[in-house]
Amino acid sequence: GQQVQQSPASLVLQEGENAELQCNFSTSLNSMQWFYQRPGGSLVSLFYNPSGTKHSGRLTSTTVIKERRSSLHISSSQTTDSGTYLCALERHNYAQGLTFGLGTRVSVFP
Amino acid sequence: GGIITQTPKFLIGQEGQKLTLKCQQNFNHDTMYWYRQDSGKGLRLIYYSITENDLQKGDLSEGYDASREKKSSFSLTVTSAQKNEMAVFLCASSGTGGFFNERLFFGHGTKLSVL
Repeated sequence: GQQVQQSPASLVLQEGENAELQCNFSTSLNSMQWFYQRPGGSLVSLFYNPSGTKHSGRLTSTTVIKERRSSLHISSSQTTDSGTYLCALERHNYAQGLTFGLGTRVSVFP
Repeated sequence: GGIITQTPKFLIGQEGQKLTLKCQQNFNHDTMYWYRQDSGKGLRLIYYSITENDLQKGDLSEGYDASREKKSSFSLTVTSAQKNEMAVFLCASSGTGGFFNERLFFGHGTKLSVL
């Protein structure tokens, strides 16, 4: 089964609302990474987060390794936040590379 | 900052054709990757390379070849395009230590359609 599960699959927000995106993984890991992808666009790395909490502007990532989960919090959402947010698991056996979740599609309306 | 350039941006092929996708990076990164992105299936690793002339198979290597003749470039070949195939191929690179425990940077992708 899917080793990296993201929820929700999609999310609709009104501008100004906050959102919490979840990523759960079924295997042990070395680290998590969060990416953002605009429709038809490239992936942009948001956070490389081995553990704990990291902040970047209105975004906050929290990874709890022993609970095998990571979250991405968007505060005061803006229409420019619309897109797909992907989390990726870095395996202990680095030769296996990154395993990606299916993503959460976020739509923010004015 | 650096950039990853993928060519072509759009690739239309015919069933059975051999098709080559190219990727260049100027980060001076050691490790480069090819991922395939399909709707509903997420990104899947096709090949990666931890240094010049190194090639490692990912989860989806069957039907593909790769080549890393220079540190800055990594090419992917679809050995025989499948009819009605449609996907985005993403090239990425990371780090200077040859390990995966660093941020990954992506190109803008090559969109493949097979007639």
